[in-house]
Amino acid sequence: AQSVTQLDSHVSVSEGTPVLLRCNYSSSYSPSLFWYVQHPNKGLQLLLKYTSAATLVKGINGFEAEFKKSETSFHLTKPSAHMSDAAEYFCVVSDGSARQLTFGSGTQLTVLP
Amino acid sequence: KAGVTQTPRYLIKTRGQQVTLSCSPISGHRSVSWYQQTPGQGLQFLFEYFSETQRNKGNFPGRFSGRQFSNSRSEMNVSTLELGDSALYLCASSLAQQSWSEQYFGPGTRLTVT
Repeated sequence: AQSVTQLDSHVSVSEGTPVLLRCNYSSSYSPSLFWYVQHPNKGLQLLLKYTSAATLVKGINGFEAEFKKSETSFHLTKPSAHMSDAAEYFCVVSDGSARQLTFGSGTQLTVLP
Repeated sequence: KAGVTQTPRYLIKTRGQQVTLSCSPISGHRSVSWYQQTPGQGLQFLFEYFSETQRNKGNFPGRFSGRQFSNSRSEMNVSTLELGDSALYLCASSLAQQSWSEQYFGPGTRLTVT
């Protein structure tokens, strides 16, 4: 079985400061992990994905995530937040056993001026 | 390359009616998945089609159904609408036969049931 837990439902940061969105996963197999972003009234956009290659994954818009198997974590980071980063972020796991993506509950990121 | 398109973008229906939503995947993608997004339940998987066959189904009642055409376009249908069916319905397409490996989402159809 696969599952994912996003540890914070809301995160607020000031513009120009680092962003950390936390995600823990559970999987019976070698998982694929994704981060998606959803801006208001829009669909989901893929930020980055991990599929058992390098553990540090770089995505679009300056985001990156590190796969830590020992901690079963896949936290999303960005060195410097921008106002346009304000959105909801979803951590997603897939291990092929369920043949579907399983989404976390989402983290709403607010960027303060 | 055009992205995933969904029509209509917004829809208002009355309880008891039925509704059909349409999804056109990215050109060349043969897998289409459907998701329901609500504030209370988050994103939930409805079903997935590959080459006109339903390969996987989530935990939703039989009122929710879908199909896929030979050009990979997909429709989902909800019969006997309930107030709780109000949601954003998202469609996603995938190039890989292992569709759970990476999916690209459309903008969604916002369904309101009154």
